[in-house]
Amino acid sequence: GAGVSQSPRYKVAKRGQDVALRCDPISGHVSLFWYQQALGQGPEFLTYFQNEAQLDKSGLPSDRFFAERPEGSVSTLKIQRTQQEDSAVYLCASSPYRVANTEAFFGQGTRLTVV
Amino acid sequence: GNSVTQMEGPVTLSEEAFLTINCTYTATGYPSLFWYVQYPGEGLQLLLKATKADDKGSNKGFEATYRKETTSFHLEKGSVQVSDSAVYFCALSYNTDKLIFGTGTRLQVFP
Repeated sequence: GAGVSQSPRYKVAKRGQDVALRCDPISGHVSLFWYQQALGQGPEFLTYFQNEAQLDKSGLPSDRFFAERPEGSVSTLKIQRTQQEDSAVYLCASSPYRVANTEAFFGQGTRLTVV
Repeated sequence: GNSVTQMEGPVTLSEEAFLTINCTYTATGYPSLFWYVQYPGEGLQLLLKATKADDKGSNKGFEATYRKETTSFHLEKGSVQVSDSAVYFCALSYNTDKLIFGTGTRLQVFP
């Protein structure tokens, strides 16, 4: 497709369950970002990949959060032992190179609800 | 640390009214500044950007000027339309690749 695709669009998980969220970036985009957006808030940075290298994971809130991009294209954000505070929209964005000079293209997000 | 502060919403306007959404930032050095828009049911889209002081970003009738002296990047439009109803996010990117967003301002335009 032409844009960033995320799946699933909606996910309901029971507390303690593990979840995996997928992001298909725009073909050829080098940079890939994950953000977390709580209700009524702006997106907050989680982690950044340049190709397959995870260059910044400073925003991951705990060691229950793990992201990978093994072949420099599709990325997966995994959350282990989900908690209610993990409920949020998880956004993926890709960019041809550095965001400071180029546009980041966002997917529609995955809305995670932990019950 | 680096941060962005936006005016709280919702902002409610009649069609053809003048729009201002305030945004100020805190950052060391010279970040790039952005406005992103989120229409209902859609993903965030870049609306405009400015990469250095005194630059003016513009798109779809919206404008914002990078003001270093007041650390501001206010969004303006001379005549809003119903189709402009959305959530607007101010953001900065400074010397790293991540975007730092404000909390967003919801705009509602009525006919």
